[in-house]
Amino acid sequence: AQKITQTQPGMFVQEKEAVTLDCTYDTSDPSYGLFWYKQPSSGEMIFLIYQGSYDQQNATEGRYSLNFQKARKSANLVISASQLGDSAMYFCAMRESNQAGTALIFGKGTTLSVSS
Amino acid sequence: DAMVIQNPRYQVTQFGKPVTLSCSQTLNHNVMYWYQQKSSQAPKLLFHYYDKDFNNEADTPDNFQSRRPNTSFCFLDIRSPGLGDAAMYLCATSRGGGPGKENEQYFGPGTRLTVT
Repeated sequence: AQKITQTQPGMFVQEKEAVTLDCTYDTSDPSYGLFWYKQPSSGEMIFLIYQGSYDQQNATEGRYSLNFQKARKSANLVISASQLGDSAMYFCAMRESNQAGTALIFGKGTTLSVSS
Repeated sequence: DAMVIQNPRYQVTQFGKPVTLSCSQTLNHNVMYWYQQKSSQAPKLLFHYYDKDFNNEADTPDNFQSRRPNTSFCFLDIRSPGLGDAAMYLCATSRGGGPGKENEQYFGPGTRLTVT
């Protein structure tokens, strides 16, 4: 079974609108971290936002916020006031605590296209 | 200031001709990772080093090897590249392996490998 599921292969939004990118996860580890990365066409992975499993509040970083619903195991990324430069691939990823030194588990990604 | 540096950014090699990709970091992080990312797919972990401890993923082909001569540098060697090895190769580092934000992974810009 997939540990990270991103069900939206592609999303389209107009400039200045808000958009939500979905992410659900599966883990039995009580301690885990959730990360969102942006990957523009240049290829570099850019860290956007982090949510810890014990965090009481939803994470926010500028125009990015994370709608964390622990009971539903979802961690959706909300981008407010979209900009043309937001067009990119977005990956949701998770790291569990039960294996030190392991890498992130990535979802398959969502391609976001922002139009003027 | 670049923190994770990958050289070269673009590499063209011939079928079967050994190639080495380089990664260096200025963060003094303990963990270094190599990912393979094919077009429109999520990054796939090949292996990682936790300090000097090498950890190979079970499904990483024997054709792929890695070296970490010191904290700052890590190399990916592809002994006999095939056409199917054409991909973006991403190097990443993290302070440690736990799920907290302090163990966020920092990615380099990637090396795009073409096999002719």
